[in-house]
Amino acid sequence: AQKVTQAQTEISVVEKEDVTLDCVYETRDTTYYLFWYKQPPSGELVFLIRRNSFDEQNEISGRYSWNFQKSTSSFNFTITASQVVDSAVYFCALSEETRDDKIIFGKGTRLHILP
Amino acid sequence: GAVVSQHPSWVICKSGTSVKIECRSLDFQATTMFWYRQFPKQSLMLMATSNEGSKATYEQGVEKDKFLINHASLTLSTLTVTSAHPEDSSFYICSAITGTYEQYFGPGTRLTVT
Repeated sequence: AQKVTQAQTEISVVEKEDVTLDCVYETRDTTYYLFWYKQPPSGELVFLIRRNSFDEQNEISGRYSWNFQKSTSSFNFTITASQVVDSAVYFCALSEETRDDKIIFGKGTRLHILP
Repeated sequence: GAVVSQHPSWVICKSGTSVKIECRSLDFQATTMFWYRQFPKQSLMLMATSNEGSKATYEQGVEKDKFLINHASLTLSTLTVTSAHPEDSSFYICSAITGTYEQYFGPGTRLTVT
């Protein structure tokens, strides 16, 4: 079974719209970390956030916000007032304490922001 | 944040030759590094864990004789793709773990085998 599921393969929105990228994870560990990375066309991964399993507080960073809900095993990512520069592939990922902190990636969501 | 470099950033080689990719942690020591590969429009797949001073551990389905990993020092891990074939063409990304268990990724190496 997939440990990290990003059901949205591709999303297109018009600039200035808000967009939410979904992420559902699966783990039996009580201690784990969740991540979001951005991968622009250049290929280099850009770290966005790391959240540990004991911290369910939502986080906001500028136009980005994250909603972590353990009850639904979800860690969704919202971009507010999207911009063309936000166009990229976004990966949600998981690392588990019992798996030596290896990061397992979801399949990614390709986001197109249309001008 | 910490910096991880990879060299080369891209390489083209002929089928049957071997190619070495370096992963360096520039401002920290990393006892553990990871190697990932990414095919076009796909996700990153973990290939192996590189451990300083010991043998690498490979994920299921990854040929250890094909992808040789050497973690020679606390700042350098190398991945050698032996007898490369066109199907080995991919984007290879490494990551390194700091002493506080934060993981940083390198910029990736694009390998094309002709």
